[in-house]
Amino acid sequence: DGGITQSPKYLFRKEGQNVTLSCEQNLNHDAMYWYRQDPGQGLRLIYYSQIVNDFQKGDIAEGYSVSREKKESFPLTVTSAQKNPTAFYLCASSMELAGTDTQYFGPGTRLTVL
Amino acid sequence: AQSVTQLGSHVSVSEGALVLLRCNYSSSVPPYLFWYVQYPNQGLQLLLKYTSAATLVKGINDFEAEFKKSETSFHLTKPSAHMSDAAEYFCAVTEGFQKLVFGTGTRLLVSP
Repeated sequence: DGGITQSPKYLFRKEGQNVTLSCEQNLNHDAMYWYRQDPGQGLRLIYYSQIVNDFQKGDIAEGYSVSREKKESFPLTVTSAQKNPTAFYLCASSMELAGTDTQYFGPGTRLTVL
Repeated sequence: AQSVTQLGSHVSVSEGALVLLRCNYSSSVPPYLFWYVQYPNQGLQLLLKYTSAATLVKGINDFEAEFKKSETSFHLTKPSAHMSDAAEYFCAVTEGFQKLVFGTGTRLLVSP
């Protein structure tokens, strides 16, 4: 079955630590995205990538970093510079970076800072 | 910049009743509009999307939405609610490529 996988499902981090969230897709999509979801705020875009070795900042990129070395993989690192990292993180992909394209979402990773 | 307003953070209906979830958008150009559903602790699943074809869009699970340019609205409806429809629903808009901009979501509660 084609789809998007995210791991781990739950992640706990101590303050000051960097953590990396995994996102893998086997849909052969070019575009990939990372969103952050907080209660009552909807989803906010962190980073997106149109193609391998290229990515752009979204609305709330501060304190996060990404890489896109392979088409199917788009890991997100939450750095110690992110002041309030506790949230639900969602990865998505679409065929192209086009407004009409449907974005398909993974199951999410819930990050908690202790 | 485009924005989306979803009226009502919570909507309660009885099983079998009409479901109406409201979405208004602001856009200076013809938009593309989406409705997604999210079950607890899961990702988002596309219900339906409007991409400038028919103004009445049918989606999965008997949901549909009507694009009304004069009202800048894209409300989601379902004739008869099921218990399994209880979830959070998000309206989203794009302009051209641009990124998806999400509303803050509406949680649908269905009582027996």
